[in-house]
Amino acid sequence: GAVVSQHPSWVICKSGTSVKIECRSLDFQATTMFWYRQFPKQSLMLMATSNEGSKATYEQGVEKDKFLINHASLTLSTLTVTSAHPEDSSFYICSAWGVTLHFGNGTRLTVT
Amino acid sequence: QQQVKQSPQSLIVQKGGIPIINCAYENTAFDYFPWYQQFPGKGPALLIAIRPDVSEKKEGRFTISFNKSAKQFSLHIMDSQPGDSATYFCAASKLNTGNQFYFGTGTSLTVIP
Repeated sequence: GAVVSQHPSWVICKSGTSVKIECRSLDFQATTMFWYRQFPKQSLMLMATSNEGSKATYEQGVEKDKFLINHASLTLSTLTVTSAHPEDSSFYICSAWGVTLHFGNGTRLTVT
Repeated sequence: QQQVKQSPQSLIVQKGGIPIINCAYENTAFDYFPWYQQFPGKGPALLIAIRPDVSEKKEGRFTISFNKSAKQFSLHIMDSQPGDSATYFCAASKLNTGNQFYFGTGTSLTVIP
């Protein structure tokens, strides 16, 4: 079945540094990928829609200059959290559309 | 505005019981209704999905019941097992229009041995 690989699965970084998270569709091409943020025991909050070859579409309230999204190929989208702060600590999940919506295994980001 | 409302927030059943999770949606243009299962520290995994042209779909121990007129759908888990303990999310989407999915708030299911 379709698989979405997300890397890293967890990362700890210091406040002020940037972190890049990769999302790859392994056996299908994904023109559209989605990035979510999930707080403990809560639902998935859509952050942005990533379209191959064009600018991402951000949801209201999501800072596009802080959460940089690049979708340079049909199998790879990246989310970079720039100048991370402790309040950015969260579980970030990507998904890719291929017949249905497939999710990566998420990235636990902890900013110290 | 919450596009998809899910209940209950949490559910505890005995092994072998049949937990039922309910969802309601507003937008009649939605035409795809999946359920996702999420274990702690993992991403959601597609469990089962239904289109509005059928009222019920079964896959193994999982059944979706769909009521188009009431704009409601539910997940039933037959012969529940402790391994089914997870968080379940319903979702709705209008396919081929950006494929954006709207998720319910999730139900934490605990199956007691």
